[in-house]
Amino acid sequence: GAGVSQSPSNKVTEKGKDVELRCDPISGHTALYWYRQSLGQGLEFLIYFQGNSAPDKSGLPSDRFSAERTGGSVSTLTIQRTQQEDSAVYLCASSLGWVGNYGYTFGSGTRLTVV
Amino acid sequence: AQRVTQPEKLLSVFKGAPVELKCNYSYSGSPELFWYVQYSRQRLQLLLRHISRESIKGFTADLNKGETSFHLKKPFAQEEDSAMYYCAPSWAGGSEKLVFGKGMKLTVNP
Repeated sequence: GAGVSQSPSNKVTEKGKDVELRCDPISGHTALYWYRQSLGQGLEFLIYFQGNSAPDKSGLPSDRFSAERTGGSVSTLTIQRTQQEDSAVYLCASSLGWVGNYGYTFGSGTRLTVV
Repeated sequence: AQRVTQPEKLLSVFKGAPVELKCNYSYSGSPELFWYVQYSRQRLQLLLRHISRESIKGFTADLNKGETSFHLKKPFAQEEDSAMYYCAPSWAGGSEKLVFGKGMKLTVNP
């Protein structure tokens, strides 16, 4: 696609429910990233994919968080048993190649609210 | 530990005034450096990358390796520059990712 697409754009869920957030990167971008953006906290790295594998998942805050990527394209971030502290904007980004050269292209994010 | 610091959370200036948005990093090695901008109700977008030496929307940033700084500057701010600005060095620890500062909100008043 022309840009990085994320869905849904907004999600309200009840505490304890599972949620799935989807990211469709730019076609041909091999690297894909998930970040979390909270007020006053900036952007918190969650996980990085190169193709379908995740060489760096050091930012996942707990085992309730998981992510996968299939076909070197779409990625899904799953949060199980959501808690109120999971409320944030979840951002996806993709990169054409070496990040030091290209940087990221970001999606518009999914705003997750846990009530 | 690798760290990026944007020491000011807020900056308010009048149109036409110079602006400098500070960024300091503590890293081993030589990271690549970026500035990202987020205008109101828009997605994060790349503003400037050190590796290409481009000047975008009148902004420039000079890398000072001695001070480990990458401050963003513009000689004459415009109202449309009002936004959140994030400094982002690349991670030097073997993973290809960017590490973002907490951001700074710039407000340019008429």
